[in-house]
Amino acid sequence: AQTVTQSQPEMSVQEAETVTLSCTYDTSESNYYLFWYKQPPSRQMILVIRQEAYKQQNATENRFSVNFQKAAKSFSLKISDSQLGDTAMYFCAFMSTGANSKLTFGKGITLSVRP
Amino acid sequence: DTAVSQTPKYLVTQMGNDKSIKCEQNLGHDTMYWYKQDSKKFLKIMFSYNNKELIINETVPNRFSPKSPDKAHLNLHINSLELGDSAVYFCASSQSSGSSYEQYFGPGTRLTVT
Repeated sequence: AQTVTQSQPEMSVQEAETVTLSCTYDTSESNYYLFWYKQPPSRQMILVIRQEAYKQQNATENRFSVNFQKAAKSFSLKISDSQLGDTAMYFCAFMSTGANSKLTFGKGITLSVRP
Repeated sequence: DTAVSQTPKYLVTQMGNDKSIKCEQNLGHDTMYWYKQDSKKFLKIMFSYNNKELIINETVPNRFSPKSPDKAHLNLHINSLELGDSAVYFCASSQSSGSSYEQYFGPGTRLTVT
């Protein structure tokens, strides 16, 4: 079974600075997907960024980028130029390929952006 | 033009009651899911359906019964509600084939059992 670990329960960052959220996972599969979801106080789950395991290039989406280290099973999220609207819970998630695909989530990290 | 919608958004009920949560997606996806987020914010899969067929049932009590009348709908019926059922329930959908595989979530239903 796959597991996803987010060891930091919460972090704080000054507005306009950069912050990195850590995530590690465990799997025996060679092909899979990794995601970061954002959950603001509105509780809506918003996809921030995704990474296919077969791609070596790290995914980027505007101010969000990942550092994907497949051998180390590490998938960290970097948020550049932090904004107040980035304040939320962030969940790292793993999904295997195939018909039985499901998201396995980490426990999440609460990120606070200070003005 | 909401992609994944759930009704109701809030549900307060007493122990022992039976309640349903409805989910609809207009994305043309063939796979739908129910996730439960507990009081500690932990998210866990409950069920998934592909083309109206049950694919995943993650050791959920028999009091929970999903029903998929068609590919666009996945409802969750809960019998004999217990205090421990209080949580936020999310519906999600995805396409099982092609390049777009990510799951899109509904707004969640906060269930409170008193």
